[in-house]
Amino acid sequence: AQSVTQLGSHVSVSEGALVLLRCNYSSSVPPYLFWYVQYPNQGLQLLLKYTSAATLVKGINGFEAEFKKSETSFHLTKPSAHMSDAAEYFCAVSRSGGGADGLTFGKGTHLIIQP
Amino acid sequence: EPEVTQTPSHQVTQMGQEVILRCVPISNHLYFYWYRQILGQKVEFLVSFYNNEISEKSEIFDDQFSVERPDGSNFTLKIRSTKLEDSAMYFCASSDEGQKYFGPGTRLTVT
Repeated sequence: AQSVTQLGSHVSVSEGALVLLRCNYSSSVPPYLFWYVQYPNQGLQLLLKYTSAATLVKGINGFEAEFKKSETSFHLTKPSAHMSDAAEYFCAVSRSGGGADGLTFGKGTHLIIQP
Repeated sequence: EPEVTQTPSHQVTQMGQEVILRCVPISNHLYFYWYRQILGQKVEFLVSFYNNEISEKSEIFDDQFSVERPDGSNFTLKIRSTKLEDSAMYFCASSDEGQKYFGPGTRLTVT
């Protein structure tokens, strides 16, 4: 069985500050890990994914995440927040990187950017 | 850029009625999915569909639910007799062998 825990339903940072969104996973098999972003009234958009290659994964919009097996974590970071980053962020885990396997999502973290 | 589309954006129905949620996946994709998100809760996997049959389904996807690809472009989710607890945002997704692309969702409200 797989599960994802996102710490903090809401995170507020100032524009230009570091963004850190936390994700811990549980998986009985080597996991594939994903971060998705959801802007208001839009679908889920893939930010980045970990598929057992490099542990530091770079995604779109300046985001990156580091896979730490010892900590079962896949935290999302961005060095400098922009107002346009305000959105809902979801961490997800899967048994594979594609195909028919479903994604198991966390509850999401709402990122608020203060001007 | 190709995208997944869903109709309607919002559906209101009475308890016990049947609803059909429609999705148009990206045209060359082979895998199709439905997810749902009850307000304030996590996005949950319902079902995946490949080669005209269900590949995987969750415990949520009981006999009240069915999926169909009636033609070469549409992918539908039918709820046979809706319950209040079916009120949620329903997301369709499609993929080739890699990234899943999600639609904007249909908000289903059961009264």
